[in-house]
Amino acid sequence: QVQLVQSGAEVKKPGASVKVSCKASGYTFTGYYMHWVRQAPGQGLEWMGWINPNSGGTNYAQKFQGRVTMTRDTSISTAYMELSRLRSDDTAVYYCARDLHSSGYGWFDPWGQGTLVTVSS
Amino acid sequence: EIVLTQSPGTLSLSPGERATLSCRASQSVSSSYLAWYQQKPGQAPRLLIYGASSRATGIPDRFSGSGSGTDFTLTISRLEPEDFAVYYCQQYGSSPGLTFGGGTKVEIK
Repeated sequence: QVQLVQSGAEVKKPGASVKVSCKASGYTFTGYYMHWVRQAPGQGLEWMGWINPNSGGTNYAQKFQGRVTMTRDTSISTAYMELSRLRSDDTAVYYCARDLHSSGYGWFDPWGQGTLVTVSS
Repeated sequence: EIVLTQSPGTLSLSPGERATLSCRASQSVSSSYLAWYQQKPGQAPRLLIYGASSRATGIPDRFSGSGSGTDFTLTISRLEPEDFAVYYCQQYGSSPGLTFGGGTKVEIK
């Protein structure tokens, strides 16, 4: 079955970087855009951007430009999201999600299980 | 950027009742590119509806979506115990980015 499995929880200090992985299985990894969405504790969903696993092209939400980098390794069907210069308000659960449309502007199914990133001194 | 406003913030209902959730966009959502998700505590969101009214695979027919332009609705015809959760709308037709609504919590009355 189609599945996205993310890396485990991380604790980082302010100013550090974090890199979260998302391993895809059950479908052709390069055939679907991958998005990253985050959710701060008790809050709603916030879109961060997408990567086209086929070309490596990216599109980041303006809020994160300059701090986020999305990459992929097609040999192991894995997408990555790296967020730098972490602040306490970056504490959140980070999700990857497959885009079912062909353009990178679509609906998401499935989602990974989420990775909690805690930023604390 | 399109802003999505969901109402009410919380809906208190009993099992068996009908739930009507609203999602209003700050400008027209092109081609009804609107989706709905369900999220339970400690879980990732789950796709319910896409294209404003198409049910995702495996979603029971008590869930239905409707609307166009700036006004969209998710209806749960008869609430089951497992339907008590938070629901989010998402628009995906507009560059530069996708946006989510703030969510509606459906709680047991």
